[in-house]
Amino acid sequence: EPEVTQTPSHQVTQMGQEVILRCVPISNHLYFYWYRQILGQKVEFLVSFYNNEISEKSEIFDDQFSVERPDGSNFTLKIRSTKLEDSAMYFCASSVGGKGDGYTFGSGTRLTVV
Amino acid sequence: GEDVEQSLFLSVREGDSSVINCTYTDSSSTYLYWYKQEPGAGLQLLTYIFSNMDMKQDQRLTVLLNKKDKHLSLRIADTQTGDSAIYFCAESRLGNTPLVFGKGTRLSVIA
Repeated sequence: EPEVTQTPSHQVTQMGQEVILRCVPISNHLYFYWYRQILGQKVEFLVSFYNNEISEKSEIFDDQFSVERPDGSNFTLKIRSTKLEDSAMYFCASSVGGKGDGYTFGSGTRLTVV
Repeated sequence: GEDVEQSLFLSVREGDSSVINCTYTDSSSTYLYWYKQEPGAGLQLLTYIFSNMDMKQDQRLTVLLNKKDKHLSLRIADTQTGDSAIYFCAESRLGNTPLVFGKGTRLSVIA
């Protein structure tokens, strides 16, 4: 069964450093997303990406964040200068679009900022 | 903005039925979902229901939707220890718009 792949599974970084979280969405999916889950809290939407541009973003997704689809397969989330409060599980998802069962989530990257 | 609420904990005995409840506020919700998250793992789609349906059954899972009250429930029949996980309710307006999640209900199954 096709799956969304995220790397690394766990990343530890120092405050102020840049991190790039990587995702390989399902190949025939058209919509790509990043969500995050701070420990013990809700899963929160960050950004959606369609047709090589951001289609929607939440207020969490400020200037510290950026997304990119550098080639035909990868979808990345960059955090320019990490803060302690960026520590969370980051989930990538992709969707065919138009159908309720189209979303598929990756296993997540646990980011720990120290 | 949209909000999704769930009770945080549920404990059941193995073999009993579990019912996890969820309420949502967005009357424009088109799709309502149940996701399962096991410890350290990602989000696994269990089932979803389209807003023009009242009920959907899939093996041990039954989803009931009361659109008037904006209430969604997930019933797991013959609950097993492997069902122990966090269950998230979520909604979206379209099949590709961002999901809005609840806080999750931690289901504990006692052998």
